[in-house]
Amino acid sequence: QVQLQQWGAGLLKPSETLSLTCDVYGASFSSYYWSWIRQPPGKGLEWIGEFTRSGSTNYNPSLKSRVSISVDTSKNQFSLKLSSVTAADTAVYYCACHPVDFDYWGQGTLVTVSS
Amino acid sequence: QAGLTQPPSVSKGLRQTATLTCTGNSNNVGNQGAAWLQQHQGHPPKLLSYRNNNRPSGISERLSASRSGSTASLTITGLQPEDEADYYCAAWDSSLRSWVFGGGTKLTVL
Repeated sequence: QVQLQQWGAGLLKPSETLSLTCDVYGASFSSYYWSWIRQPPGKGLEWIGEFTRSGSTNYNPSLKSRVSISVDTSKNQFSLKLSSVTAADTAVYYCACHPVDFDYWGQGTLVTVSS
Repeated sequence: QAGLTQPPSVSKGLRQTATLTCTGNSNNVGNQGAAWLQQHQGHPPKLLSYRNNNRPSGISERLSASRSGSTASLTITGLQPEDEADYYCAAWDSSLRSWVFGGGTKLTVL
């Protein structure tokens, strides 16, 4: 049974770096894709990027310059860093893993950017 | 970034049939199809259908997905109160090398 448990800071100031981590249970990093998705309050889903099972990364072109997604297999974790945040980055952030198509999701973390 | 197009809202009566649509282009929906996800308020999304139109284990047979060209559809028969939720489609865009989502459809069961 695959489970994802995410954690990280929920309140940031403008220009700071968002950092979130997802603990992985019951899944192999070499068999799945590892994504981050966000959802601004009252709005739809936006894909941020993924770490692929071959070890490469793909990012949303609109966020690519500020995003980094990495995997730590020794800790069974994957992480998201988003630099130079603004109020527009306020959202619920989800981690997800998919052998195919977004099969498993974390519980979500609300990140608020405010001065 | 170009997203997929979904109608903002659909309303149907109890036990009726709802068909939700998702329109993309030849680089995304028209290429590999669209996955469908359901989201209830305050909860993470839940996968309802893979891009190949198959259902994950445990998903009701009342749901079926299909595709015609660059438009994907999700049909829900015998609508129940618990079907009231937001529905999103998602597709891999081979040109952008990025997943793209639809804006979501809010399904109301009257």
